[in-house]
Parts: sequence; C-alpha cells; structure tokens
Amino acid sequence: NAGVMQNPRHLVRRRGQEARLRCSPMKGHSHVYWYRQLPEEGLKFMVYLQKENIIDESGMPKERFSAEFPKEGPSILRIQQVVRGDSAAYFCASSPGPGLTYGYTFGSGTRLTVV
Amino acid sequence: KNEVEQSPQNLTAQEGEFITINCSYSVGISALHWLQQHPGGGIVSLFMLSSGKKKHGRLIATINIQEKHSSLHITASHPRDSAVYICAVSPTQETSGSRLTFGEGTQLTVNP
Repeated sequence: NAGVMQNPRHLVRRRGQEARLRCSPMKGHSHVYWYRQLPEEGLKFMVYLQKENIIDESGMPKERFSAEFPKEGPSILRIQQVVRGDSAAYFCASSPGPGLTYGYTFGSGTRLTVV
Repeated sequence: KNEVEQSPQNLTAQEGEFITINCSYSVGISALHWLQQHPGGGIVSLFMLSSGKKKHGRLIATINIQEKHSSLHITASHPRDSAVYICAVSPTQETSGSRLTFGEGTQLTVNP
C-alpha cells in the first residue's frame, strides 16, 4: 500500500508559467483534499473533490487555480501564470469516504518555488 | 482571532521529559485531529477524536468538548519526536462536513 503519492516533490517555476501538481490517493480512496501551507503559516484548506466532482472549493483563489479528479488517474491542482506569492507547500490528503467519518491520509507534499 | 489556537508555539525539552501541547478552539466541531509534520517531510495523522482519550504508544490525546480544549501528551520523549505538531478541527458548520481548520502548529525540539 503505497499511501498518498504526490509528485513532484519539488517544483520550480518562473513567474508566468503553469504549475501542475499531482496527487494519487491511496487505493480505495475516492475523496481527495488539497491544502496549502505558505511559508511561516499554518495549513489552509483549498478544495475537496470526489471522483469527477468538486464538492467544496471555497478555499481556492478565484483566479488562476483549478483542480480536478478525473475518473481515471490522479487528482491535479493547476496553477496558471504563477506568481511569487504562490510559493508554498501543497499537501494532498485522501479518505475512503468523507474525512469526517474515516479520517485522512496525507501525502508528503509538493514544494513549489516561483522564481 | 484564529478558530484554532495552539500553545506553546515552540517547545524545547530534554530527552525523557513528559510533554504537553495544548489546543483550544472556538467553533463547534465534529472531530479534532492531531497531526505530526517532520522538517521537509509529509504530514502524519496521529489521532482523530471526538470525545475522551486515545492512546498510541507513548502518545496520548485528550479532548474536553465542553471546554473546547484538547491536549497531546508525549511520555518519555525522544529526539525522534522532534517535529511540528498540528491541531486541526472539523467544524460542524462546514457544509461539506469534511474540511479541516488548522492551528499554527507547535515546534517541538527534544534534545539528547
């Protein structure tokens, strides 16, 4: 059981480029959550997805950020036209059902650096 | 004011000491989580609790729902316990019922 896999572990992008962060949930988990940890700050909720559906995206910035969790393949967090303020650690968590009931398994995160 | 407050922010202990990290929250919750984050590493879920007390090895987590307070205790601390410990809650008012709200974390350093 490989756990929640996030890749890449580290990603460097120039300002204006696109960043694509991938999250493969644990086997049997169909619920995925993305969180962002800005430098020297706590974790903040971004988006909650089930297969092919966005359940709650109230934590996502309105522009440049999008997330998907297709029927096949990993969940993708996409950041278009990155800016320096997007530099952060992005964590994904998964659960077999609502995390409220089943708890969460976290990945190791993707550290995004925008130069 | 944050909905989840942790204390202390930083804690340094000697190996073998008993450690307590506190978490207070201001919202109604369905569950409270304690997480561990090592430097440059991922996040590990230690406990999820909604009442009473849970124990796993040298770690003990307690929660008092009436006082909106939880504590994480580490007995016989060891340098490998050095990490950031994060308290997180599942607020009952969250419409999706599943998103977490996090405290700022407590940086624990255990010296040999």
